[in-house]
Amino acid sequence: AQKVTQAQTEISVVEKEDVTLDCVYETRDTTYYLFWYKQPPSGELVFLIRRNSFDEQNEISGRYSWNFQKSTSSFNFTITASQVVDSAVYFCALSEAFANAGGTSYGKLTFGQGTILTVHP
Amino acid sequence: ETGVTQTPRHLVMGMTNKKSLKCEQHLGHNAMYWYKQSAKKPLELMFVYSLEERVENNSVPSRFSPECPNSSHLFLHLHTLQPEDSALYLCASSQEVGASGYTDTQYFGPGTRLTVL
Repeated sequence: AQKVTQAQTEISVVEKEDVTLDCVYETRDTTYYLFWYKQPPSGELVFLIRRNSFDEQNEISGRYSWNFQKSTSSFNFTITASQVVDSAVYFCALSEAFANAGGTSYGKLTFGQGTILTVHP
Repeated sequence: ETGVTQTPRHLVMGMTNKKSLKCEQHLGHNAMYWYKQSAKKPLELMFVYSLEERVENNSVPSRFSPECPNSSHLFLHLHTLQPEDSALYLCASSQEVGASGYTDTQYFGPGTRLTVL
Protein backbone atom coordinates (compact mmCIF):
# COMPACT_ATOMS: atom_id res chain seq x y z
CA ALA A 1 0.00 0.00 0.00
CA GLN A 2 1.12 3.53 -0.64
CA LYS A 3 2.35 5.61 2.27
CA VAL A 4 3.65 9.14 2.77
CA THR A 5 5.71 10.14 5.78
CA GLN A 6 6.41 13.69 6.85
CA ALA A 7 8.59 13.14 9.87
CA GLN A 8 8.68 16.80 10.91
CA THR A 9 5.48 17.54 12.80
CA GLU A 10 6.34 21.17 13.49
CA ILE A 11 9.09 23.51 12.38
CA SER A 12 9.70 26.99 13.72
CA VAL A 13 12.05 29.44 12.01
CA VAL A 14 12.78 33.13 12.03
CA GLU A 15 12.01 35.18 8.96
CA LYS A 16 14.64 35.04 6.19
CA GLU A 17 15.87 31.61 7.27
CA ASP A 18 15.82 28.80 4.73
CA VAL A 19 13.73 25.78 5.69
CA THR A 20 13.39 22.30 4.21
CA LEU A 21 10.32 20.13 4.66
CA ASP A 22 10.95 16.43 4.26
CA CYS A 23 8.71 13.92 2.51
CA VAL A 24 9.37 10.21 2.11
CA TYR A 25 7.01 7.92 0.25
CA GLU A 26 6.42 4.23 -0.35
CA THR A 27 4.88 2.74 -3.45
CA ARG A 28 5.09 -0.41 -5.52
CA ASP A 29 4.10 1.35 -8.73
CA THR A 30 6.57 2.60 -11.29
CA THR A 31 4.16 5.34 -12.44
CA TYR A 32 2.98 7.73 -9.79
CA TYR A 33 2.68 11.43 -9.03
CA LEU A 34 3.87 13.50 -6.11
CA PHE A 35 2.32 16.72 -4.88
CA TRP A 36 2.84 19.45 -2.35
CA TYR A 37 -0.04 21.47 -0.95
CA LYS A 38 -0.11 24.41 1.44
CA GLN A 39 -2.93 24.84 3.96
CA PRO A 40 -3.05 28.33 5.50
CA PRO A 41 -5.24 29.02 8.53
CA SER A 42 -8.20 29.68 6.22
CA GLY A 43 -8.34 25.92 5.57
CA GLU A 44 -8.11 25.70 1.81
CA LEU A 45 -5.44 23.39 0.39
CA VAL A 46 -3.44 25.37 -2.13
CA PHE A 47 -1.73 23.37 -4.87
CA LEU A 48 2.01 24.05 -5.14
CA ILE A 49 3.54 21.41 -7.41
CA ARG A 50 2.89 18.13 -9.21
CA ARG A 51 5.70 15.87 -10.33
CA ASN A 52 5.51 12.52 -12.11
CA SER A 53 7.78 9.62 -11.28
CA PHE A 54 9.68 9.87 -14.56
CA ASP A 55 10.73 13.47 -14.08
CA GLU A 56 13.52 13.71 -11.54
CA GLN A 57 14.57 17.22 -12.43
CA ASN A 58 14.58 19.56 -9.50
CA GLU A 59 12.29 22.54 -9.82
CA ILE A 60 12.50 26.10 -8.61
CA SER A 61 9.64 28.56 -8.47
CA GLY A 62 10.59 31.85 -6.88
CA ARG A 63 11.55 31.14 -3.27
CA TYR A 64 10.28 27.55 -3.51
CA SER A 65 12.32 24.60 -4.71
CA TRP A 66 11.73 20.87 -4.77
CA ASN A 67 14.23 18.03 -4.70
CA PHE A 68 12.98 14.70 -6.05
CA GLN A 69 15.28 11.75 -5.28
CA LYS A 70 13.80 8.53 -6.60
CA SER A 71 16.67 6.48 -5.19
CA THR A 72 15.69 7.47 -1.65
CA SER A 73 11.94 7.86 -2.35
CA SER A 74 12.03 11.45 -1.18
CA PHE A 75 10.44 14.65 -2.45
CA ASN A 76 11.67 17.47 -0.24
CA PHE A 77 10.50 21.07 -0.33
CA THR A 78 12.72 24.04 0.47
CA ILE A 79 11.60 27.60 1.13
CA THR A 80 14.40 30.13 0.75
CA ALA A 81 14.35 33.34 2.76
CA SER A 82 11.14 32.39 4.56
CA GLN A 83 8.47 34.98 5.25
CA VAL A 84 5.71 35.21 7.83
CA VAL A 85 3.15 34.55 5.08
CA ASP A 86 4.73 31.12 4.59
CA SER A 87 3.32 30.04 7.95
CA ALA A 88 0.93 27.18 7.20
CA VAL A 89 0.57 23.44 7.24
CA TYR A 90 2.30 21.79 4.30
CA PHE A 91 1.20 18.44 2.94
CA CYS A 92 3.04 16.05 0.70
CA ALA A 93 0.85 13.62 -1.25
CA LEU A 94 1.31 10.60 -3.48
CA SER A 95 -1.08 9.57 -6.21
CA GLU A 96 -1.38 6.21 -7.83
CA ALA A 97 -3.91 4.57 -10.06
CA PHE A 98 -6.38 2.72 -7.88
CA ALA A 99 -9.13 0.38 -9.00
CA ASN A 100 -12.51 0.32 -7.31
CA ALA A 101 -14.47 -2.87 -6.65
CA GLY A 102 -15.84 -2.72 -10.18
CA GLY A 103 -12.41 -2.40 -11.74
CA THR A 104 -12.67 1.32 -12.64
CA SER A 105 -9.36 3.11 -12.18
CA TYR A 106 -8.93 6.54 -10.66
CA GLY A 107 -6.07 8.59 -9.26
CA LYS A 108 -6.07 8.20 -5.48
CA LEU A 109 -4.21 10.74 -3.34
CA THR A 110 -2.56 9.62 -0.12
CA PHE A 111 -1.49 12.49 2.11
CA GLY A 112 1.22 12.72 4.72
CA GLN A 113 0.41 13.94 8.22
CA GLY A 114 1.52 17.45 7.36
CA THR A 115 4.23 19.73 8.72
CA ILE A 116 3.22 22.85 10.61
CA LEU A 117 5.58 25.65 9.64
CA THR A 118 5.70 28.77 11.76
CA VAL A 119 7.78 31.70 10.56
CA HIS A 120 8.41 34.31 13.24
CA PRO A 121 9.11 37.94 12.36
CA GLU B 1 -16.78 32.93 -8.38
CA THR B 2 -13.61 31.11 -9.27
CA GLY B 3 -12.07 27.79 -8.34
CA VAL B 4 -13.89 25.55 -5.89
CA THR B 5 -16.39 27.01 -3.45
CA GLN B 6 -18.01 25.37 -0.45
CA THR B 7 -20.97 26.36 1.70
CA PRO B 8 -21.48 26.73 4.53
CA ARG B 9 -18.01 27.46 5.85
CA HIS B 10 -19.04 26.56 9.38
CA LEU B 11 -21.81 24.27 10.59
CA VAL B 12 -22.88 23.22 14.05
CA MET B 13 -25.47 20.46 14.28
CA GLY B 14 -26.98 18.13 16.79
CA MET B 15 -26.81 14.39 16.39
CA THR B 16 -30.44 14.18 15.26
CA ASN B 17 -30.25 16.96 12.68
CA LYS B 18 -30.13 16.61 8.91
CA LYS B 19 -27.94 19.02 7.00
CA SER B 20 -26.19 19.24 3.67
CA LEU B 21 -22.81 20.51 2.56
CA LYS B 22 -22.52 22.03 -0.88
CA CYS B 23 -19.55 22.21 -3.23
CA GLU B 24 -19.37 23.95 -6.58
CA GLN B 25 -16.47 24.00 -8.98
CA HIS B 26 -16.04 26.68 -11.65
CA LEU B 27 -13.10 25.01 -13.41
CA GLY B 28 -14.93 22.90 -15.99
CA HIS B 29 -13.66 19.72 -14.37
CA ASN B 30 -15.23 16.29 -14.68
CA ALA B 31 -14.21 14.73 -11.38
CA MET B 32 -15.11 15.74 -7.83
CA TYR B 33 -14.11 14.45 -4.42
CA TRP B 34 -15.03 14.64 -0.74
CA TYR B 35 -12.30 14.44 1.91
CA LYS B 36 -12.45 14.47 5.69
CA GLN B 37 -9.72 16.16 7.73
CA SER B 38 -9.78 15.37 11.43
CA ALA B 39 -7.38 16.72 14.01
CA LYS B 40 -4.13 14.79 14.12
CA LYS B 41 -5.12 12.50 11.22
CA PRO B 42 -4.18 12.62 7.55
CA LEU B 43 -6.75 13.69 5.02
CA GLU B 44 -9.09 10.81 4.27
CA LEU B 45 -10.72 10.32 0.90
CA MET B 46 -14.45 9.71 1.28
CA PHE B 47 -16.04 9.73 -2.18
CA VAL B 48 -14.99 10.10 -5.81
CA TYR B 49 -17.29 11.13 -8.65
CA SER B 50 -16.59 11.16 -12.36
CA LEU B 51 -19.18 12.81 -14.63
CA GLU B 52 -21.83 12.46 -11.94
CA GLU B 53 -21.14 8.78 -11.46
CA ARG B 54 -19.79 7.62 -8.12
CA VAL B 55 -16.47 5.90 -8.66
CA GLU B 56 -15.48 5.27 -5.07
CA ASN B 57 -17.02 5.04 -1.62
CA ASN B 58 -14.09 4.64 0.72
CA SER B 59 -15.94 2.63 3.39
CA VAL B 60 -17.83 5.69 4.56
CA PRO B 61 -20.72 5.15 7.03
CA SER B 62 -24.19 5.49 5.54
CA ARG B 63 -24.94 8.56 7.67
CA PHE B 64 -22.93 10.39 4.99
CA SER B 65 -24.77 10.42 1.67
CA PRO B 66 -23.18 12.09 -1.38
CA GLU B 67 -25.02 13.46 -4.37
CA CYS B 68 -23.62 14.73 -7.66
CA PRO B 69 -26.41 16.15 -9.84
CA ASN B 70 -23.98 17.45 -12.48
CA SER B 71 -20.24 17.74 -12.95
CA SER B 72 -20.14 21.19 -11.32
CA HIS B 73 -21.97 20.42 -8.09
CA LEU B 74 -21.41 17.98 -5.28
CA PHE B 75 -23.38 17.61 -2.07
CA LEU B 76 -22.80 15.73 1.13
CA HIS B 77 -26.01 14.99 3.01
CA LEU B 78 -25.57 14.42 6.72
CA HIS B 79 -27.94 12.71 9.14
CA THR B 80 -27.68 11.27 12.65
CA LEU B 81 -24.01 12.14 12.90
CA GLN B 82 -21.78 11.37 15.86
CA PRO B 83 -19.47 13.77 17.71
CA GLU B 84 -16.47 11.98 16.18
CA ASP B 85 -17.68 13.16 12.78
CA SER B 86 -16.67 16.68 13.73
CA ALA B 87 -13.98 17.66 11.23
CA LEU B 88 -13.12 19.85 8.26
CA TYR B 89 -14.81 18.52 5.13
CA LEU B 90 -12.98 19.41 1.96
CA CYS B 91 -14.23 19.21 -1.58
CA ALA B 92 -11.87 18.94 -4.54
CA SER B 93 -12.11 18.70 -8.30
CA SER B 94 -9.82 17.60 -11.11
CA GLN B 95 -10.01 17.67 -14.89
CA GLU B 96 -10.48 13.91 -15.07
CA VAL B 97 -10.68 11.22 -12.44
CA GLY B 98 -7.45 9.66 -13.62
CA ALA B 99 -6.61 6.20 -14.84
CA SER B 100 -3.81 3.74 -14.82
CA GLY B 101 -0.62 5.68 -15.35
CA TYR B 102 -2.10 9.16 -15.11
CA THR B 103 -3.36 11.49 -12.39
CA ASP B 104 -4.70 15.02 -12.71
CA THR B 105 -4.10 17.66 -10.09
CA GLN B 106 -6.87 18.06 -7.55
CA TYR B 107 -7.92 21.59 -6.61
CA PHE B 108 -9.52 22.08 -3.23
CA GLY B 109 -12.19 24.34 -1.80
CA PRO B 110 -11.91 26.15 1.54
CA GLY B 111 -13.77 23.43 3.43
CA THR B 112 -16.73 23.29 5.81
CA ARG B 113 -15.83 23.15 9.50
CA LEU B 114 -18.43 20.78 11.00
CA THR B 115 -19.09 20.46 14.70
CA VAL B 116 -21.48 17.77 15.93
CA LEU B 117 -22.82 18.31 19.42
